[in-house]
Parts: sequence; C-alpha cells; structure tokens
Amino acid sequence: EVQLVESGGGLVQPGRSLRLSCAASGFTFDDYAMHWVRQAPGKGLEWVSGVNWNSGSIGYADSVKGRFTISRDNANNSLYLQMNSLRAEDTALYYCAKNRVGSYSRGLFDNWGQGTLVTVSS
Amino acid sequence: DIQMTQSPSSLSASVGDRVTITCQASQDISNYLNWYQQKPGKAPKVLIQDASNLETGVPSRFSGRGSGTVFTLTISSLQPEDVATYYCQQSDNPLLTFGGGTKVEIK
Repeated sequence: EVQLVESGGGLVQPGRSLRLSCAASGFTFDDYAMHWVRQAPGKGLEWVSGVNWNSGSIGYADSVKGRFTISRDNANNSLYLQMNSLRAEDTALYYCAKNRVGSYSRGLFDNWGQGTLVTVSS
Repeated sequence: DIQMTQSPSSLSASVGDRVTITCQASQDISNYLNWYQQKPGKAPKVLIQDASNLETGVPSRFSGRGSGTVFTLTISSLQPEDVATYYCQQSDNPLLTFGGGTKVEIK
C-alpha cells in the first residue's frame, strides 16, 4: 500500500523559511516523479512543484519560482520542499503526491498524503 | 500558463439525478485532462485520466468526455457518497494547472 507522510509544517513569520518533508513507502520510489500540491484554507488545489524520478527535470508554479526548491533523496525514499521568503499567501495545506509515471510533466497525481499545514503570519 | 475554467462552481441535485460538470481549457490540451474528487477533510482522489479513462475501482456511474478545450465529467445517477468537490487538471503543459472546483451537494 502506498503511503505518503508529510511533515515540517507549522507557524512561521513572513520572510522566514521552512522545509517540508514527505516520507514515501509501499512503492519503488525512484521509478516515479513526485509533486507538491497546496490548498489554501477553503480554496482550490494549486500545483506547486514537481520533480522527475532522477531529479533530472524540475518544475515550479510561477507563484513560487525563485523562492521554493524541490528535491528528493531516492536512497531514503523522501521528498522535500525548501520554502524561503514565505508570504501570507503561501498559507495552505501542502500535499505530497505521487505521479503515475517517471516524468513530472505528464502530471497525474495518483496517490496523496494527508498534508501538512503551513501558516505564514506575524 | 493554461487556464482551466470549471462550471458551475457549485450545484445541488437530488439522489438519482444526472449531473454534468464542465471544464474548459484556455488552449488546446488534446486529451490531457484528469478529474479528481475531494471529499470534505480528505485528500483528493483521481477519478479519470486522459479525459475518459476511468481509474480502477471508480464506480461506472462516473464518466468523462471531451478533447481539445472542452471536457465534461458526468455522474449518471448521483449518490449520497458523491458529495464532494470535483477538480479538473491539465497535464498537457508542464506548468500543471487545476480548475477552480465544483462543489456537489445533495438537494
């Protein structure tokens, strides 16, 4: 059974940084692309970032480009999101999601974690 | 970026009704369109891949159609467990984007 467990969320002041983690199990992690998708309170889904199986190709939403960095550690079945220069509008539940295939660009999110909440406020 | 526009934003229908949700892309995305269901307090779940391919285990009352810029998700006979918000998502462009969602309720 695929399991994705996010951690690292919390309350942070504007301008500060936070690093999210996602521990994956139940599948061959390095066969698949991975993503971060967020959902602001009471709002819809927003794709944040995706990374290919081998980290050879990475993409970001325009709203986070230059501030967020996605990475993965295939040896430890883990996905990360380094979030810098955080803004109030980054407040959201951040989901880790597995892609159906190894390339993130054909994004199909076939398994999701339960999310970790990030609140950016002074 | 490819903009995805869903309509309606919400609907209320009776058990057994046929329900249709529309998703329009701002440019041709061929059939690279996926549908998700998100129940209250839960993570989303994929229902349909590539416009019309039903995921394993998804009830056959769900169906998807379309290509190019206009797509539909239909629930042929609405059930109480279908109360959820439904999202479309394009995978034609690597800047992946979702529609705004359609909240489905029981009348």
